[in-house]
Amino acid sequence: ETGVTQSPTHLIKTRGQQVTLRCSSQSGHNTVSWYQQALGQGPQFIFQYYREEENGRGNFPPRFSGLQFPNYSSELNVNALELDDSALYLCASSFLSGGAEAFFGQGTRLTVV
Amino acid sequence: AQSVTQLDSQVPVFEEAPVELRCNYSSSVSVYLFWYVQYPNQGLQLLLKYLSGSTLVKGINGFEAEFNKSQTSFHLRKPSVHISDTAEYFCAVFSPNQAGTALIFGKGTTLSVSS
Repeated sequence: ETGVTQSPTHLIKTRGQQVTLRCSSQSGHNTVSWYQQALGQGPQFIFQYYREEENGRGNFPPRFSGLQFPNYSSELNVNALELDDSALYLCASSFLSGGAEAFFGQGTRLTVV
Repeated sequence: AQSVTQLDSQVPVFEEAPVELRCNYSSSVSVYLFWYVQYPNQGLQLLLKYLSGSTLVKGINGFEAEFNKSQTSFHLRKPSVHISDTAEYFCAVFSPNQAGTALIFGKGTTLSVSS
């Protein structure tokens, strides 16, 4: 058991809506990274938070935003949803920015219709 | 920039046969290397990692991988597979000396083990 939990596990949204995904990191970890995994693809890095600050970002538009809270849990927000945003969203926690080992949650399956 | 190429998208094998899943990477800086496994409708589980030292790395479930710097490869092997090894396998690289970076994944290899 990794200790990283994500909610919800599944959800369906309509194009143009906004969505918030949540992640509770493993105890003792202060870094959270979010990944998008489209069907049949490897995970792609969205962004990373370290001590409540965005610490790195992949090639995703600004409508993908996030937060990290003092207890190191995190949120991923996506505005103006598009059909191509349908994917599995994975949260990973690690100790220190750039930690050598990331522990992944089970993911949230987002479907945009 | 780093990149990862998993050379086989699908690998079908029979139970108890050996298997090798191939991974090549590209990077101008030193990297850490990882293999993750993903079972259907689940997140990623770490199989093994190479940070430094011995180039032969042993992981969970009987898997091992060998880091070859000259060939920029990190192939995953198992001498005898089980039905339960059927899953998606991802190779990933990480640059430890670049702040704010994260894992870069390959597209994955589907391992299908049949009896």
